[in-house]
Amino acid sequence: DGGITQSPKYLFRKEGQNVTLSCEQNLNHDAMYWYRQDPGQGLRLIYYSQIVNDFQKGDIAEGYSVSREKKESFPLTVTSAQKNPTAFYLCASSLTGQGVPDTQYFGPGTRLTVL
Amino acid sequence: AQTVTQSQPEMSVQEAETVTLSCTYDTSESDYYLFWYKQPPSRQMILVIRQEAYKQQNATENRFSVNFQKAAKSFSLKISDSQLGDAAMYFCAYSPNTGNQFYFGTGTSLTVIP
Repeated sequence: DGGITQSPKYLFRKEGQNVTLSCEQNLNHDAMYWYRQDPGQGLRLIYYSQIVNDFQKGDIAEGYSVSREKKESFPLTVTSAQKNPTAFYLCASSLTGQGVPDTQYFGPGTRLTVL
Repeated sequence: AQTVTQSQPEMSVQEAETVTLSCTYDTSESDYYLFWYKQPPSRQMILVIRQEAYKQQNATENRFSVNFQKAAKSFSLKISDSQLGDAAMYFCAYSPNTGNQFYFGTGTSLTVIP
């Protein structure tokens, strides 16, 4: 089945540690996105990538990093510089990342908790 | 800056009844796209409906329809014949016609009462 997978579903991290969240898609989509969701707030864009080997900062990129070495994969690293990393993280993809907006399809999410 | 406002944090509806969720947005663009997404307790975001701003006809998907008022910058979602499976958080989203950045509202939690 085509879709987006995120792993792990739950992740625990000690303060001061970096952690990487996985996002893989087999939809052959060019564009991929990372969002953060906090209670009472909408989704906020962290990073997005319109094509392989290229990505742009979203509204809340500080303390996060990404890479896009393959079309299918867009991992997100939460660094120790992120002051409040406990949140629900959603990965999404769309057919294209330019021009007319395409529907974004979402993965099941990763819940990150910093202990 | 584009902002999306959902003024109803929580709503409830009796099963089989109709409910309308509100969404307003702020933009200086003339061409853009609007979306409603559903997030059930599983937290998987699912597209409900999509509207292109240049189309005057309101989008419809089965029991879901929108009331798009471009001049008022309003984009409400109507759910007819509500079902228990409709219980979820609903997010309104805006995307300009250039690029693919989405701007989400804070969501409305819908409860369906049996």
